Parts: sequence; C-alpha cells; structure tokens
Amino acid sequence: KAGVTQTPRYLIKTRGQQVTLSCSPISGHRSVSWYQQTPGQGLQFLFEYFSETQRNKGNFPGRFSGRQFSNSRSEMNVSTLELGDSALYLCASRAHTNTEAFFGQGTRLTVV
Amino acid sequence: GENVEQHPSTLSVQEGDSAVIKCTYSDSASNYFPWYKQELGKRPQLIIDIRSNVGEKKDQRIAVTLNKTAKHFSLHITETQPEDSAVYFCAASGSNAGNMLTFGGGTRLMVKP
Repeated sequence: KAGVTQTPRYLIKTRGQQVTLSCSPISGHRSVSWYQQTPGQGLQFLFEYFSETQRNKGNFPGRFSGRQFSNSRSEMNVSTLELGDSALYLCASRAHTNTEAFFGQGTRLTVV
Repeated sequence: GENVEQHPSTLSVQEGDSAVIKCTYSDSASNYFPWYKQELGKRPQLIIDIRSNVGEKKDQRIAVTLNKTAKHFSLHITETQPEDSAVYFCAASGSNAGNMLTFGGGTRLMVKP
C-alpha cells in the first residue's frame, strides 16, 4: 500500500505570493489533516477534512485554506505569504477516528 | 479546545538507561493518546498508542501509561539505544473533536553511547 504522498517536497516563494501544496492520502483513508511544523512551535494543527468537508480548523489566519476532492486528495493554499510562514507542512491521513495517523514526508516552504 | 503539555523539552540519557516523557491534557473527553517519533529529516511515525479504556500498554522496550483521573500519560523507554535518539511527540484526540490530534511540544531525546 502506498504511503501518504506530498508534493512538492521543497518550495521557495517570495513574500506576498501564494502557494498550493498537495497531499494524496493512503488509499481508502477519507480523513486528511494538515500541520505546520516549526522548530520552536512543534506541530500546529491547521485543518482536517473528511469526505470533502472541513471538520476542524486550527488557530491560523484566513490566509490559510484548504480543500479536499472526491478522491480524498487534499490541497492547502497559503495566500499573501509572510516570512513567518516558512515551515515544514505535513499532512496526515487516517482511516477512522482514533486510529493511527500516517504522515507524509512534508513540504518544506521557504519564504524569502 | 484540547491543550497538551509535554515535559521535558530535552532529555539526555546514557545508553542503557531508561527515559520517561510526560504529557498532560486538558479535555476530559479525549480518549486516544498516540506517541510519535520523528528522526531528523524524517516524518513522524507512530511508536505506540493507548486508548482511554486501558491503563498501560507495552511493546518491547516501550510502554505507555495513562491516568485518566489526573489527565496525564507517559512514555517509558527502557534500555535506551543510540537509535532511540529523536524527537518524541505525544498527542491526544477525542470523539468531540473528530479526528483532530492535538500534539505536545515535543521532547528531544539524546542517548549517549
């Protein structure tokens, strides 16, 4: 079974630009969550999608958005990038509530 | 919402010693508590998890204990080895929040040979 796949692996963007990250979950997993990981802040929850619906949202500004498609693939978008958005963005998929979350390799975003 | 606190933030032990990492959570409705290990440059991976109907769970050198009354849970690693060096994250989730996993701040474990 293929694991969680995130693309691209690395991105360099300029302040003010926008970016779209992609996550393909494990086949059969309908839940996809996104996390921001920075050295000082650990794993911060962004949002979670289940069957194309956003089920939970973390405490991030409206510049951060996401969506999920009918095949469970998910995208997150960050508009008007700021230097502080530089981070590793991880997505995780789960088969059911309260089961193992499988993480992708992450997308490392650098904003210059 | 849920808040998970994790201590210590760094832990250094000699090879062969035991390591203990502790977490507390705030939402009494939380009922699933996984632990993840993240090696440098790699993705977090589940090493053990426990549900609220169980007080302790072991898997070889790793064990997790849960005290629902006190709302805290701990990871115990015995006979530590250099390859145990990594960042460990605890997390909590409950049916009230769907699949939302709230993570602790992480513990950097260093095992000195």
